[in-house]
Amino acid sequence: GAVVSQHPSRVICKSGTSVKIECRSLDFQATTMFWYRQFPKQSLMLMATSNEGSKATYEQGVEKDKFLINHASLTLSTLTVTSAHPEDSSFYICSARSRTDTQYFGPGTRLTVL
Amino acid sequence: QKEVEQNSGPLSVPEGAIASLNCTYSDRGSQSFFWYRQYSGKSPELIMFIYSNGDKEDGRFTAQLNKASQYVSLLIRDSQPSDSATYLCAVNKNTGNQFYFGTGTSLTVIP
Repeated sequence: GAVVSQHPSRVICKSGTSVKIECRSLDFQATTMFWYRQFPKQSLMLMATSNEGSKATYEQGVEKDKFLINHASLTLSTLTVTSAHPEDSSFYICSARSRTDTQYFGPGTRLTVL
Repeated sequence: QKEVEQNSGPLSVPEGAIASLNCTYSDRGSQSFFWYRQYSGKSPELIMFIYSNGDKEDGRFTAQLNKASQYVSLLIRDSQPSDSATYLCAVNKNTGNQFYFGTGTSLTVIP
């Protein structure tokens, strides 16, 4: 099956710093990748849709200047949480859309901001 | 009205029983339907997808799609404690990148 990786799997940072999360589709090309956030015991929340070579589309209420998304190639999208604060602590999950319109998820990145 | 609706549960079934998970969707134009399983603290993993009306079987899992009723379900036969997880239904409208998830149903299989 299709494999999506995320790096890092876990990160702890100080308040005010920036954190970059990478999402890679390892065995297929993904023109579209998605970024989700999930708080404990809550549903997945779509943050943004990332299209290769173009600007990301952000969901309502998600600050594009705080959550910078770059989709530079057909296999790599990055999410940078800028000036992170404790309320940004969450489980960030990416997914990649295959040619069959199936979304395959990465293993997630657990961010803790102190 | 939500695009995709699921009963949040929790749903409890004894080991060996059939677990039935249900999902309804609002847009008749929806084309493809997916079931994901998410264990606590982990990301969702794809169980199966279905495009056509009827049943699709994969091992102990059967997806059922009824487009007329806008209803998709997942049956898990011979349920095991390891099946205890949250099950997410997802629908793709096939127009652009419109992919919608339900809030998930929590399943507990009791040994």
